This record gives sequence, C-alpha cells and structure tokens, in this order.
Amino acid sequence: DQQVKQNSPSLSVQEGRISILNCDYTNSMFDYFLWYKKYPAEGPTFLISISSIKDKNEDGRFTVFLNKSAKHLSLHIVPSQPGDSAVYFCAASGNFGNEKLTFGTGTRLTIIP
Amino acid sequence: DAGITQSPRHKVTETGTPVTLRCHQTENHRYMYWYRQDPGHGLRLIHYSYGVKDTDKGEVSDGYSVSRSKTEDFLLTLESATSSQTSVYFCAIRGQETQYFGPGTRLLVL
Repeated sequence: DQQVKQNSPSLSVQEGRISILNCDYTNSMFDYFLWYKKYPAEGPTFLISISSIKDKNEDGRFTVFLNKSAKHLSLHIVPSQPGDSAVYFCAASGNFGNEKLTFGTGTRLTIIP
Repeated sequence: DAGITQSPRHKVTETGTPVTLRCHQTENHRYMYWYRQDPGHGLRLIHYSYGVKDTDKGEVSDGYSVSRSKTEDFLLTLESATSSQTSVYFCAIRGQETQYFGPGTRLLVL
C-alpha cells in the first residue's frame, strides 16, 4: 500500500520555464511534508518542507503547495535551471516531522537547455 | 553537511554470506536510520535507532539486523545475503529540521 505516490516517473522541462512536480498521499495522519533532491551516486538532500498548518512555503526558486482536502502537494521550481536535473522525492510524516518518513517513488526531472 | 559517512561505499558479495554496513556520524544525533532505495519503490525504511542499544523495525526489516553500541555508529547486518537485497543503502540522521542522508552504499549480491 503506497501511502505517498508520485505518479509521474519522469518530467522534462525547458530551461527557464516552470517545473511542477506532484505528490499525493492517502494517510490523513500525515502532517508534515518534505521534498528531497537526489543526484546520481549521492544521498538525497533536503530541499523544502511544509507543515499542515500552512498551504504554501517558499524558498528562493522553490515553492511547495499543500492542498489538504485533496491530499495533494506540489513542488514548483521557477525558473528551472540545468542544475535542477535530478530525482525528486516527496516524503511525509506525522507528529510534525517527529515520526518516520514515508517516501514516494520519485520523479526524474530533466531540464533541457 | 551533516557529518555522515558510510562504509564501504561499494560492495560485491555472494548469496549466503554475511554483510555489515557501517554508518558513522560526527554530530551526536540521537536518531539514526537505515533505508534502501530500489527502482519503483523510492526509499524504504529498514530499521532505525532512537539511542544507544535502542532500535526498532521499519517497513522492510526482514533479513536485516542492526546494532548501535555507540552514539556515533549504526551498523546494518545482512545475516545471509540474498539477491533481493541488492540495492543502494542510505543511512540518515534526524537533525533539527528533518532527516539528513549519507552518501550511500551500493551493494550487489551475486
């Protein structure tokens, strides 16, 4: 039972345009959500997070939106840059991040120069 | 940089042999985790530790054991490796904001 789903295995976006990565979850006990970025042969690195008391969190070019009623979150990257090419994992946890993380299957983002 | 190292970084072994992977942290974090990453599955939690000698199972713990005798070291052992345990293994620590990951160990079981 996949509690965190990333339905798009891959996404290609032109440099300078907006990249939108999507994530759905099924467990209503999740109240903290994160995005990680992963380059080949490296560990995942934390990108941005959002708690369920917010619907938007922004950090530079990265914005995460949370729609609790739809159990859906998205990561927007604007403008997209070649260095953004990586695999992006969505993750969720309960107790505002103090519990175990449940990860999605990842989306491979390719930025086309 | 969360001060996490993993060893070895790459290993090839044969079915039925025991394998131990090591995770070492330098920042005295209480919580440590072992994940495996496989295509189509993302990262899945194997075991985690919430203190010295305190460990618990994750969602894919069968065939794995862990030990934590010192705060800085968390060991993952495959008692008798199988081909299904071919994977990339990541260690993580819980920092202030979230979990931070080590560089990974690529394990191939032949």
